[in-house]
Amino acid sequence: DSGVTQTPKHLITATGQRVTLRCSPRSGDLSVYWYQQSLDQGLQFLIQYYNGEERAKGNILERFSAQQFPDLHSELNLSSLELGDSALYFCASSISGTPYEQYFGPGTRLTVT
Amino acid sequence: KNQVEQSPQSLIILEGKNCTLQCNYTVSPFSNLRWYKQDTGRGPVSLTIMTFSENTKSNGRYTATLDADTKQSSLHITASQLSDSASYICVVSASFGNNDMRFGAGTRLTVKP
Repeated sequence: DSGVTQTPKHLITATGQRVTLRCSPRSGDLSVYWYQQSLDQGLQFLIQYYNGEERAKGNILERFSAQQFPDLHSELNLSSLELGDSALYFCASSISGTPYEQYFGPGTRLTVT
Repeated sequence: KNQVEQSPQSLIILEGKNCTLQCNYTVSPFSNLRWYKQDTGRGPVSLTIMTFSENTKSNGRYTATLDADTKQSSLHITASQLSDSASYICVVSASFGNNDMRFGAGTRLTVKP
């Protein structure tokens, strides 16, 4: 157990809908990272927050957004969902702003039908 | 072209045998290189982290090497076990302010009895 929690574990929704994925970092970690992993694909970095502020941006679509709250938990919002958005979404956390030591959560499996 | 290339794409070995996975990168300027193990449907787990000045690091039966001159890394697994069956992902970070991370596509290892 990495100490990073993600909810929900599974999510099934229809195209065009909007969903919110939640992540709680390890106690004491200030950075949260979001990743997307499609079936049989590698990890794609989406976005990083550090202590409430956006720190780095990867291949995140405009339909997706994220935020980190004062208690350091983070939410990833996915809107106007398409079939191709079906994937595993992982959250990771690290103590500092650099991803030197990252701890990954168990992931949320999103299925868009 | 991906800046982190892993080989082989997949590998099948017998339990008890050793194996070596390769990671070649072009990311520059180099900050650190990490190897992760990812069981199917689970979050990646860090195996080793190496900076520019480190050329070898061990974690139990896993030994990673780094040649920063040739921009190559390898992960050697000794006396493989069935539980080593997983994907192994190489991640290289550049020393930019935004902590640019580049992910390899992974090597899928299957250990058979």
